[in-house]
Amino acid sequence: DGGITQSPKYLFRKEGQNVTLSCEQNLNHDAMYWYRQDPGQGLRLIYYSQIVNDFQKGDIAEGYSVSREKKESFPLTVTSAQKNPTAFYLCALVGDTGELFFGEGSRLTVL
Amino acid sequence: QQQVKQSPQSLIVQKGGISIINCAYENTAFDYFPWYQQFPGKGPALLIAIRPDVSEKKEGRFTISFNKSAKQFSLHIMDSQPGDSATYFCAARIFQAGTALIFGKGTTLSVSS
Repeated sequence: DGGITQSPKYLFRKEGQNVTLSCEQNLNHDAMYWYRQDPGQGLRLIYYSQIVNDFQKGDIAEGYSVSREKKESFPLTVTSAQKNPTAFYLCALVGDTGELFFGEGSRLTVL
Repeated sequence: QQQVKQSPQSLIVQKGGISIINCAYENTAFDYFPWYQQFPGKGPALLIAIRPDVSEKKEGRFTISFNKSAKQFSLHIMDSQPGDSATYFCAARIFQAGTALIFGKGTTLSVSS
């Protein structure tokens, strides 16, 4: 099965804990993105990576960290420094013709 | 200058009617304008996209109209169906620069039967 795989689909976190969201792709594409979605706020860019071992901050990077050690993987860590982490997190990659394709998302809830 | 402003926030249309969602942008360097459709609990899916060298693009019941001078573009859904009920996002980017998409805040469409 090809495409973008995000896991877990649902995640609960206690305050003060770090959590890591997984994003894996088997399409051999370079550019990958993490967006955060809140009701009525649209999609806001957290981090993006255009090549292995390189990534850039987006508009709302504070409280988040990423790594890009392998082309197929772009995990996002939501740290305890993120004060309002409850949201729907979406990973995306750029297709062959420049379109952005999204995964199914991970919903994080802070208890 | 990086914003994309989308309206309305919500829209209710009768089955068979026309749904119209509007977006406006400021950055004249934007050259790629996609629309995404999102169902609850799912990731957004690309619906249709346009480049500024054309004023209109149609795919089935979905049409993008683009007005370069006004820096506006809109999505028209003809013969709206209950299955079209979803959240729609417009977006923009500088295509060749590989920059990230800037999204509007979304429009929740409900098509009543």
